[in-house]
Amino acid sequence: ETGVTQTPRHLVMGMTNKKSLKCEQHLGHNAMYWYKQSAKKPLELMFVYNFKEQTENNSVPSRFSPECPNSSHLFLHLHTLQPEDSALYLCASSQEVSEGNYEQYFGPGTRLTVT
Amino acid sequence: AQSVTQLDSHVSVSEGTPVLLRCNYSSSYSPSLFWYVQHPNKGLQLLLKYTSAATLVKGINGFEAEFKKSETSFHLTKPSAHMSDAAEYFCVVRIQSGGSYIPTFGRGTSLIVHP
Repeated sequence: ETGVTQTPRHLVMGMTNKKSLKCEQHLGHNAMYWYKQSAKKPLELMFVYNFKEQTENNSVPSRFSPECPNSSHLFLHLHTLQPEDSALYLCASSQEVSEGNYEQYFGPGTRLTVT
Repeated sequence: AQSVTQLDSHVSVSEGTPVLLRCNYSSSYSPSLFWYVQHPNKGLQLLLKYTSAATLVKGINGFEAEFKKSETSFHLTKPSAHMSDAAEYFCVVRIQSGGSYIPTFGRGTSLIVHP
């Protein structure tokens, strides 16, 4: 596999369920990101991991819990979600260096529906 | 603080005619600027990036963008639209925030191409 992969591609869950989204990057990058993309809203940065350390948490509700066990894998654990959490969840990776001119590579996303 | 404004939520063109997608940014520092494209039910793909070298940047699929510091703009153009260009386009600015380079995404411009 190449690039950034995400599983599952589609997920339907009830508000009381617990599920996890998985992201894996095969690019040797040292930073990984979770984004939420909702209809008619800007792309929202949720979490950033740089060298496996969480460096950003943009006021995301605690029902979303990220985990980064190594530089290639990123998880988003979900529990007691709300219907407004239904969205496309995108994972991205990049190689962070001292300048800011490095691009992000995105996975195809997980389409989450909360019922 | 940094911000990015995509001036049009939708742009409609005929196949074979020029494309112009507008982006203005606000940044206190020298920015890195990117354009991404997202086709339906796909992740984001990098089109091109500006990294303080040449102000006219060429990307994939015949797209290019010009960095104009005096106008704080980074508009995306293509001489001749193709049906396959129909997608959502995002302008992104990255500047340093503490020890990280945080990306800020525009709200996106939907490009519609008519036969």
